[in-house]
Amino acid sequence: DVKVTQSSRYLVKRTGEKVFLECVQDMDHENMFWYRQDPGLGLRLIYFSYDVKMKEKGDIPEGYSVSREKKERFSLILESASTNQTSMYLCASRRAGPTGELFFGEGSRLTVL
Amino acid sequence: TQLLEQSPQFLSIQEGENLTVYCNSSSVFSSLQWYRQEPGEGPVLLVTVVTGGEVKKLKRLTFQFGDARKDSSLHITAAQPGDTGLYLCAGDKSGNKLVFGAGTILRVKS
Repeated sequence: DVKVTQSSRYLVKRTGEKVFLECVQDMDHENMFWYRQDPGLGLRLIYFSYDVKMKEKGDIPEGYSVSREKKERFSLILESASTNQTSMYLCASRRAGPTGELFFGEGSRLTVL
Repeated sequence: TQLLEQSPQFLSIQEGENLTVYCNSSSVFSSLQWYRQEPGEGPVLLVTVVTGGEVKKLKRLTFQFGDARKDSSLHITAAQPGDTGLYLCAGDKSGNKLVFGAGTILRVKS
């Protein structure tokens, strides 16, 4: 059964803390993505990666960074968490090329106090 | 401003009713996908449409891609409580990343 696994389902952090969200896929997909999901706004792309050590900014990269040292793993980093980063974070992977299906993890709900 | 506008944002209907969800844009997409998301889970792909004017059916769900590949619709016939969820459309422009609409929350009451 193909899978995208996110390391934490729920996190509570304080303002200014560093936050790591990790994602692992077992489908050998080239492309991996981090989205945040907020009510009424749908899914907004933070960063994506099309190969190991390669990354591109999405629509809302400010306040975030990413790391892809291995093909199967894509990490999202919040260097200094702020309250406006409280959200649901979804990781996804997809094979290269058009029309491919996005496979999502179950999400990580982050609350920043 | 959403690149993909979905309507309605929220729909609450009785079991057995029909409904249509719309996804509109001023941009042309090479393909368009529909996903469904249930609480506590990630979205799951329902369908991909690629050709302008294409119609695809998945049991009681009918998906249509506009002739100009700028819009799409999802029609559900005889909705059931199991159809309840968040429906998201997503357009593919670059071949690598998808742009999502804001979603339609569907609630089907028994």
